[in-house]
Amino acid sequence: DAKTTQPPSMDCAEGRAANLPCNHSTISGNEYVYWYRQIHSQGPQYIIHGLKNNETNEMASLIITEDRKSSTLILPHATLRDTAVYYCIVRVAEDTGRRALTFGSGTRLQVQP
Amino acid sequence: GAVVSQHPSRVICKSGTSVKIECRSLDFQATTMFWYRQFPKQSLMLMATSNEGSKATYEQGVEKDKFLINHASLTLSTLTVTSAHPEDSSFYICSARVSRGRDEQFFGPGTRLTVL
Repeated sequence: DAKTTQPPSMDCAEGRAANLPCNHSTISGNEYVYWYRQIHSQGPQYIIHGLKNNETNEMASLIITEDRKSSTLILPHATLRDTAVYYCIVRVAEDTGRRALTFGSGTRLQVQP
Repeated sequence: GAVVSQHPSRVICKSGTSVKIECRSLDFQATTMFWYRQFPKQSLMLMATSNEGSKATYEQGVEKDKFLINHASLTLSTLTVTSAHPEDSSFYICSARVSRGRDEQFFGPGTRLTVL
């Protein structure tokens, strides 16, 4: 799996958009970008994933640069319940499930009231 | 969606005792489950991969005789911490592989183990 780099922590005001960056400059052509988050004392939760096109679901949007070397997870209107550690993971899609996910340090997002 | 449960959610035990943690897939069959351990302020570390009906595969540095894994059915995997010591105190999380259209993993809520 390609290595990812994320800032260790970020703050965001409640109601504002939270933009979480991730660098994955060694990503391969068949590797997807996955985002998970872990709220304190809970198991990780899947958020979104994408290959090269921008993706949006009910939780977030994922913006992947054209060269695919970096991406940004966007929480459009952050709430206090979005306070969590966010993990960016790069891996081939068909591999997901066969091998365990590998978690880096992630970004600790603190949403401020 | 796919739901994974863990029991107990929290356990406190004395040093030297054994503790069993259950991981269940509630609405799907999981041929593969994964066990992770997470120490305070650290990321999840994979301990072992559990396949139904066969022996678990342990990561380097994880003692298989201390962390016994049993995956006897398609909906249940158990992790037993034998002769627990205070340094085994941690947050234990399981995940289960789902193979319905899209192959992915869902995580349980975790079990907080405290060894006194």
